[in-house]
Amino acid sequence: GENVGLHLPTLSVQEGDNSIINCAYSNSASDYFIWYKQESGKGPQFIIDIRSNMDKRQGQRVTVLLNKTVKHLSLQIAATQPGDSAVYFCAELPGANSKLTFGKGITLSVRP
Amino acid sequence: EPEVTQTPSHQVTQMGQEVILRCVPISNHLYFYWYRQILGQKVEFLVSFYNNEISEKSEIFDDQFSVERPDGSNFTLKIRSTKLEDSAMYFCASSGMFYGYTFGSGTRLTVV
Repeated sequence: GENVGLHLPTLSVQEGDNSIINCAYSNSASDYFIWYKQESGKGPQFIIDIRSNMDKRQGQRVTVLLNKTVKHLSLQIAATQPGDSAVYFCAELPGANSKLTFGKGITLSVRP
Repeated sequence: EPEVTQTPSHQVTQMGQEVILRCVPISNHLYFYWYRQILGQKVEFLVSFYNNEISEKSEIFDDQFSVERPDGSNFTLKIRSTKLEDSAMYFCASSGMFYGYTFGSGTRLTVV
């Protein structure tokens, strides 16, 4: 039968451990990348962003790494908490005020 | 913190009916967007709007869709004759001069 919805891959981590969520982006001309967190029934919530002229950026408990050579983006969450459980999307833009292209999303599940 | 407001949070409509989804973007933002997310899938771009006209639209945004900024604060998405496959979460977003994308919490549209 037809797939009405895709089953997102799931990353399961123990509370307190570090999480690493990976994303491959498609457009080598993309200039700006954002990680979003989406909780059930809510809109995408900004976590952290990075410009293409950087390879690392740190926030509070989160770090984004950008590898332009292989078009790879990762989100590291330190000391993962139950409140971090959500779907995480990476998104790319070719420039300011352009359309966002989202990746498929990964479900992060935190075990207490 | 400024936020994007969407109404209603949930809309149920009969197939073939017209619906209007409403958004109030962040007041000093100049770029406005609509995205949609079918259940369990990634967020997809529909349309961007700047200076009172559409700046970009996707293949999804066909003649059944239209957008309008009827006054200085609202930004609307109209679907003229809804189809079952239009059932999705619809997210409004706005951005300022330099990135700063902010999403609303979404309107869940259910077409029956």
